[in-house]
Amino acid sequence: QKEVEQNSGPLSVPEGAIASLNCTYSDRGSQSFFWYRQYSGKSPELIMSIYSNGDKEDGRFTAQLNKASQYVSLLIRDSQPSDSATYLCAVTGGNDYKLSFGAGTTVTVRA
Amino acid sequence: GAVVSQHPSRVICKSGTSVKIECRSLDFQATTMFWYRQFPKQSLMLMATSNEGSKATYEQGVEKDKFLINHASLTLSTLTVTSAHPEDSSFYICSAFRTQTDEQYFGPGTRLTVT
Repeated sequence: QKEVEQNSGPLSVPEGAIASLNCTYSDRGSQSFFWYRQYSGKSPELIMSIYSNGDKEDGRFTAQLNKASQYVSLLIRDSQPSDSATYLCAVTGGNDYKLSFGAGTTVTVRA
Repeated sequence: GAVVSQHPSRVICKSGTSVKIECRSLDFQATTMFWYRQFPKQSLMLMATSNEGSKATYEQGVEKDKFLINHASLTLSTLTVTSAHPEDSSFYICSAFRTQTDEQYFGPGTRLTVT
């Protein structure tokens, strides 16, 4: 059973600030790492995937992966009220493609 | 990103009846799809893995005779909730695995209410 832990929320940031989300995982064999955004009452939406150590940037989002430390993070720059949601860290590594999710971190961006 | 649809988006049914939910990958083929359930303010719970052309694999504690899954083609998986009861009321979400990108995309979900 892969365990995925996320920093406890909720996280409240002012508009325009950087929101920093952290995630650790227990299975050193994990190979693929994802961040999903879930608005209240909606299904998860994939916003970032990362597979190798280092940073990956997509617009205002940057994912960072450190396999040695078993650590994944997500930075949201220039946070907007529309970024207010629950962010789910997910990892996979087996041939069954199952995602193991963290409990999620709820982010609120204050206007 | 890839598009996954679900139908219906909402359904209300009477206790004892069956409800079928469809999940389609619209712009890619998916040999593997997943079905989740989510209760209010709780985490996603994986119910089963749906593989095209073979039987679904159910997670521990999920009744396979109650939640029938059929993955008839590379773009369609269906979940049938049989003899639904009020405790089956939940948000059912499917996802499809895209091999080319090793990514999993979620459908918009189906909100089931059993009266």
